[in-house]
Amino acid sequence: EAGVAQSPRYKIIEKRQSVAFWCNPISGHATLYWYQQILGQGPKLLIQFQNNGVVDDSQLPKDRFSAERLKGVDSTLKIQPAKLEDSAVYLCASSSHSTWSPQETQYFGPGTRLLVL
Amino acid sequence: AQSVAQPEDQVNVAEGNPLTVKCTYSVSGNPYLFWYVQYPNRGLQFLLKYITGDNLVKGSYGFEAEFNKSQTSFHLKKPSALVSDSALYFCAVRPIKAAGNKLTFGGGTRVLVKP
Repeated sequence: EAGVAQSPRYKIIEKRQSVAFWCNPISGHATLYWYQQILGQGPKLLIQFQNNGVVDDSQLPKDRFSAERLKGVDSTLKIQPAKLEDSAVYLCASSSHSTWSPQETQYFGPGTRLLVL
Repeated sequence: AQSVAQPEDQVNVAEGNPLTVKCTYSVSGNPYLFWYVQYPNRGLQFLLKYITGDNLVKGSYGFEAEFNKSQTSFHLKKPSALVSDSALYFCAVRPIKAAGNKLTFGGGTRVLVKP
């Protein structure tokens, strides 16, 4: 079974530029998550989708971050404009169960490392 | 609000010795508890989880964790550490029933196993 795929793996941009990240979850997984992991910290949830609907985006900085999952499969996360403090690893995770299920386990992709100069 | 504490930034252990990585949590109600491992330039890999039942949970690569409700702890253990266990370990908690129901991670503990 293929894992969660993410691209690009690395991205360097200047502040105020825009950037987009792509995630392809494990086949059949209805729930998809985007996390931000700043160096030296644990991942922090940005947004959670159930199929193509948003379940939780309370920690997404909506003035500059946006995310979509139009067909309930792939997802993109965009930052526009980027700030220096956005430098982090952006992790995508997916799960075959809803977050209310005891069986819910999240499986993570390799991440996209973003450096904002 | 839920939280996870991993009190040790780094744990050093000799190969073959027992390994323990500590985790305590705070959550309203009963928790689901998880351990993940992160190798350099890779995403998090699921190791094990506690849902209910037996307090001792066995997971991948010979790891196990013990849920202690009275101490609100979920320490990760391995009886005999390998050099290849050197990585970053994250504990995470999710409340069983709560609005949002999101997974909250600790800050991570770096494990260094020396030959």
